[in-house]
Amino acid sequence: GQQVMQIPQYQHVQEGEDFTTYCNSSTTLSNIQWYKQRPGGHPVFLIQLVKSGEVKKQKRLTFQFGEAKKNSSLHITATQTTDVGTYFCAGAPGSNYKLTFGKGTLLTVNP
Amino acid sequence: NAGVTQTPKFRVLKTGQSMTLLCAQDMNHEYMYWYRQDPGMGLRLIHYSVGEGTTAKGEVPDGYNVSRLKKQNFLLGLESAAPSQTSVYFCASTGGQGRDTQYFGPGTRLTVL
Repeated sequence: GQQVMQIPQYQHVQEGEDFTTYCNSSTTLSNIQWYKQRPGGHPVFLIQLVKSGEVKKQKRLTFQFGEAKKNSSLHITATQTTDVGTYFCAGAPGSNYKLTFGKGTLLTVNP
Repeated sequence: NAGVTQTPKFRVLKTGQSMTLLCAQDMNHEYMYWYRQDPGMGLRLIHYSVGEGTTAKGEVPDGYNVSRLKKQNFLLGLESAAPSQTSVYFCASTGGQGRDTQYFGPGTRLTVL
């Protein structure tokens, strides 16, 4: 079955440092989504990428979808303590009823 | 508009007991999902539904049953709870196509002793 691998599993940074998490799929995806889960909370949708090579920005967050539509990345510039949480990628191959989630990257930020 | 709600928020069971987790959504979504989240394992799909009266197995369905008698509700049942089912359970729903944005409920933290 489809697998979505995400690295790193954990990342600890000093406030102000940059952060990147990577997502790789074993199959070509129709889209890739990113979610954020604050400690003790539930996953919240951040963004969806659909086109090959697509890049989208949300303030300090930059999301990329690979040319082959099998990998993606989330980059945070100048992290803040409010960025703390687990970031998940999720993808679906073709017309599929369900998403496959990566295991997530837990980001902690030292003030 | 409450979005996705889950009841209960917390529950402690003894091995062998049964219980039902309720998920309700008021967004008229067709697709609903049950996930479990364990440390280091991410979100794993238990069962899902593509519409009222339908259910399908996900990645880890053993020990669970589900029902979707009404479009807005998706129930997850544990007939005979086991300690391995200690987890946080999330319900999610999505409109349009199943691969669209998923809206998650607040979760149910279940402990099986």
